[in-house]
This record gives sequence, C-alpha cells and structure tokens, in this order.
Amino acid sequence: GQQVMQIPQYQHVQEGEDFTTYCNSSTTLSNIQWYKQRPGGHPVFLIQLVKSGEVKKQKRLTFQFGEAKKNSSLHITATQTTDVGTYFCAGRGNNNDMRFGAGTRLTVKP
Amino acid sequence: GAVVSQHPSRVICKSGTSVKIECRSLDFQATTMFWYRQFPKKSLMLMATSNEGSKATYEQGVEKDKFLINHASLTLSTLTVTSAHPEDSSFYICSARPGADTQYFGPGTRLTVL
Repeated sequence: GQQVMQIPQYQHVQEGEDFTTYCNSSTTLSNIQWYKQRPGGHPVFLIQLVKSGEVKKQKRLTFQFGEAKKNSSLHITATQTTDVGTYFCAGRGNNNDMRFGAGTRLTVKP
Repeated sequence: GAVVSQHPSRVICKSGTSVKIECRSLDFQATTMFWYRQFPKKSLMLMATSNEGSKATYEQGVEKDKFLINHASLTLSTLTVTSAHPEDSSFYICSARPGADTQYFGPGTRLTVL
C-alpha cells in the first residue's frame, strides 16, 4: 500500500540555523499538505502543493513538491524558537488514500 | 483569525455507550470539515471528510457505521462514536475548511473508554 515516509524523525538546531524535513511517497501523490503542531497544541495547516515541481514560500518557509510528485520538502531559513514543533506532511495517493508522515520534531536552542 | 471549537474537550465513557463530539466553526462557514484521530506522540490519521448536506466520505479502513458523521449546517459537524470500546480511546480532532487552500483545526476531544 501507499507509504509516506518522513525524515528526519527528530532535528535539534541552534537558533539561526536552517532546517529541512523531507517527505517521500512510494506512489505518486495528487497533492501534498504540510502541517505544524506545537507541543500540547493542535495542528495548524501550513500549505497545500498540487503541481509537479511547485515551490511556494511563506516568509522563512519554503515548500517544494517534486517533479515526479512523490516527494516534498519543507525548508526553514534561520530558525527561531517559535519554529519549535512537529511538522507533518500528508499526501493523497492514486488509491485516494490520505496518508500522513510520522512527523519531524524540531527543537531550537536559543 | 478563524476559530473552530470542539465539544466536549474531554469525555470518559463506559464500554458499549455512544459518544457525540461536536465541531463548530465560530466565525466562518465551512462546507467541508474533516475528522482526524491522533494517538499519543503519533501522527494524525484522517478518518473522514464531512460535506454539508451530503454523506461523509470515509477513508479506507474507517468503519462508517461505527463513526457516524453528520454535517447538518455550514458551521456544525458531529462525530458519534457508537458502541465505544477501549480501543476507540484517542484524541479526536476536527478541522474546517472555509476555502480550497486552507483549513482550521479545533482543539481536539480526548475520549477515554473504560
């Protein structure tokens, strides 16, 4: 069945360093979504990518959807302590099944 | 910003009983709402998509007769866990979509089935 793998599982950075999380699917995705969840908080929808090769930016966050629509990345430039949380990707595959990645837990040292 | 509420925030029930969880969009209308489960320190799992005025669309492996979803208005969707069992204990989260490119999450409901 469709699998969505997300790496790394954990990432600890110094404030000001960059951070990237990767999402890889075993099958082609019709779209991919990214979410953030702060410790103890509820998820927050960040963005949806639909087109092959699509790149979208939100301030210090850059989202990419691969040409083959099987992988995606979220890159944060110059992390801040407010970026702390778990970042999830989710994609809908050809069998119309929505799968979430396990998440990347980001911690930022001030 | 857009606000989504859930009620109750916590519920404890006995095995075999049914529990209803409400999801409301407080300051916007949502033709589409989503229901998720989240296990402790785990990722989210989309259970179903709730469409106002029509039947919900369930994800693979989710029993529609066990998890009844009703979306009777543009601001309210309900999830009823029927004949709950301990394995149904989880954190249930809803989200509401005011437009195609965004959605707002509720604070979640923690269900404990004894």
